[in-house]
Amino acid sequence: SAVISQKPSRDICQRGTSLTIQCQVDSQVTMMFWYRQQPGQSLTLIATANQGSEATYESGFVIDKFPISRPNLTFSTLTVSNMSPEDSSIYLCSVEETKWAMNTEAFFGQGTRLTVV
Amino acid sequence: AQRVTQPEKLLSVFKGAPVELKCNYSYSGSPELFWYVQYSRQRLQLLLRHISRESIKGFTADLNKGETSFHLKKPFAQEEDSAMYYCALKKTSYDKVIFGPGTSLSVIP
Repeated sequence: SAVISQKPSRDICQRGTSLTIQCQVDSQVTMMFWYRQQPGQSLTLIATANQGSEATYESGFVIDKFPISRPNLTFSTLTVSNMSPEDSSIYLCSVEETKWAMNTEAFFGQGTRLTVV
Repeated sequence: AQRVTQPEKLLSVFKGAPVELKCNYSYSGSPELFWYVQYSRQRLQLLLRHISRESIKGFTADLNKGETSFHLKKPFAQEEDSAMYYCALKKTSYDKVIFGPGTSLSVIP
């Protein structure tokens, strides 16, 4: 099973600034994702980080606000740009392993708890 | 669009009592269904998947296509079962995971 290291684990940031979150996986994975979990809410997929090409963003999320890098199969970053208090949330990195068809499992980082003041 | 609903945001049961966490989904095809769990101060992790038909930590979940449900059950709740439980769906193995809103289970000693 994949082991994911995500950092920072938490941060308090001033509005208008940007924060870059790093996600390191201990093995090469094809599918890598970034989620947001707002207070009291479920996980919402922000984007799929694609190695060697631009990330694929979900409806409501744009590259200018959440630029993503994926330089190789074990690493990705998510930047939360020009932050406002509404961006206060937990951001989660996730990877999926597929052993065979219909047998997938998602693994998650421990999350980055972001507070924007 | 595909959707996962969990009608109970909070569920409290006494230790030793049966527990059922409800999950319904909307998708016309044959999805992959999962239960993920997050214990206090731990990361989100897979509990079980419908394709495996297995019992994990005493929990089972049966896919009912007629009712489009995937309820999670355990006959005798334990204190260590207290956690946040998320039902999740994938249309295919290569699709994104869609999470339900989650149910916080509290097992009272």
